Amino acid sequence: AQKVTQAQTEISVVEKEDVTLDCVYETRDTTYYLFWYKQPPSGELVFLIRRNSFDEQNEISGRYSWNFQKSTSSFNFTITASQVVDSAVYFCALIYNNAGNMLTFGGGTRLMVKP
Amino acid sequence: GAGVSQSPSNKVTEKGKDVELRCDPISGHTALYWYRQRLGQGLEFLIYFQGNSAPDKSGLPSDRFSAERTGESVSTLTIQRTQQEDSAVYLCASSPGQPSNQPQHFGDGTRLSIL
Repeated sequence: AQKVTQAQTEISVVEKEDVTLDCVYETRDTTYYLFWYKQPPSGELVFLIRRNSFDEQNEISGRYSWNFQKSTSSFNFTITASQVVDSAVYFCALIYNNAGNMLTFGGGTRLMVKP
Repeated sequence: GAGVSQSPSNKVTEKGKDVELRCDPISGHTALYWYRQRLGQGLEFLIYFQGNSAPDKSGLPSDRFSAERTGESVSTLTIQRTQQEDSAVYLCASSPGQPSNQPQHFGDGTRLSIL
């Protein structure tokens, strides 16, 4: 079965703390793509990153970094020095090779960053 | 605006009525997707259009749900004889289509409330 699990439903941190959002996926396909999206309180989904199954290099973009580990089927997302504007629901998602192009989403993690 | 446009932004209707939701994708995007997001949950795939190919309807929850798209332009999602469990935010996304792993760009959604 193809599945994305985000075990943390809600995380609360104080501004400037680092926070890691976990994502574990299941797929039988050898070719697949992983995504993170941010959904701020306004509701629109904002694309953050895409990773393909052949590229296990970690990526850093400003305060954001992603750790992709095929051995544990995980694609975790870390925000360094969190800010109040990071408060949102974050979704991890998967496109697998035999599923057409539709995204399979995890349940999301609500991140609250307090001043 | 160059983004995905959805209308109406909010729709309140009585149980049993039919509703039509509209999506205007990003110009030039051949792929169009509909998802449903129930309160506090992740997104569920409903239907996918790619160019002039037959749509992938595998996510539609019942025969009360249908969608159309004319060419590579506007799409409408129709829900007939609405039920209270249809209450959700309906999100539309578009992407360039090929390669299939291109990020999907989302609209702001239509919040549907069934009384």
